[in-house]
Amino acid sequence: EAQVTQNPRYLITVTGKKLTVTCSQNMNHEYMSWYRQDPGLGLRQIYYSMNVEVTDKGDVPEGYKVSRKEKRNFPLILESPSPNQTSLYFCASRRLANYGYTFGSGTRLTVV
Amino acid sequence: GEDVEQSLFLSVREGDSSVINCTYTDSSSTYLYWYKQEPGAGLQLLTYIFSNMDMKQDQRLTVLLNKKDKHLSLRIADTQTGDSAIYFCADNNAGNMLTFGGGTRLMVKP
Repeated sequence: EAQVTQNPRYLITVTGKKLTVTCSQNMNHEYMSWYRQDPGLGLRQIYYSMNVEVTDKGDVPEGYKVSRKEKRNFPLILESPSPNQTSLYFCASRRLANYGYTFGSGTRLTVV
Repeated sequence: GEDVEQSLFLSVREGDSSVINCTYTDSSSTYLYWYKQEPGAGLQLLTYIFSNMDMKQDQRLTVLLNKKDKHLSLRIADTQTGDSAIYFCADNNAGNMLTFGGGTRLMVKP
């Protein structure tokens, strides 16, 4: 089944403890992206990647890192999480030549 | 940066039509999308429209695009209780960035 898989689905962590949210797609998509969703703000783009080893900042990149060493994986790294990073995170992918974005099921992160 | 705006809330009666509106600011839009999000779930692509189209119909869904006014709407005919969800419009610009509106919560009353 073609899909975008995020892990974990839920995570509670403490301020300052490094964490990684994984994202993997099995559709050979070039483009991958991370979003955070906050009430009333919709989804805001954190980082995106047009292909392997190519990453760019979105609208809200502060406090996040990403890497794209392989086409299928695009992990989101929080080196020192803070409570204002408590949010619902979505990973998405698509072919560059195609309109259709496929979203993962989301990761709900709480930083205390 | 680009801005995409939607009203926060819409309430309709079952069987009526719903119209959800969206405005955007980017002139380089390539595609515009409507996504549906049910409670606790991810985003489901409902429909999309190319920026050079005026209208697209897909069963109960009609998308209207006024490119001059940068206004997008989604009409749901014969709205059902299962249509209750948050609806997001999103704009894909020429730089391949997808910008979302804040979402419109649609409540359908029996």
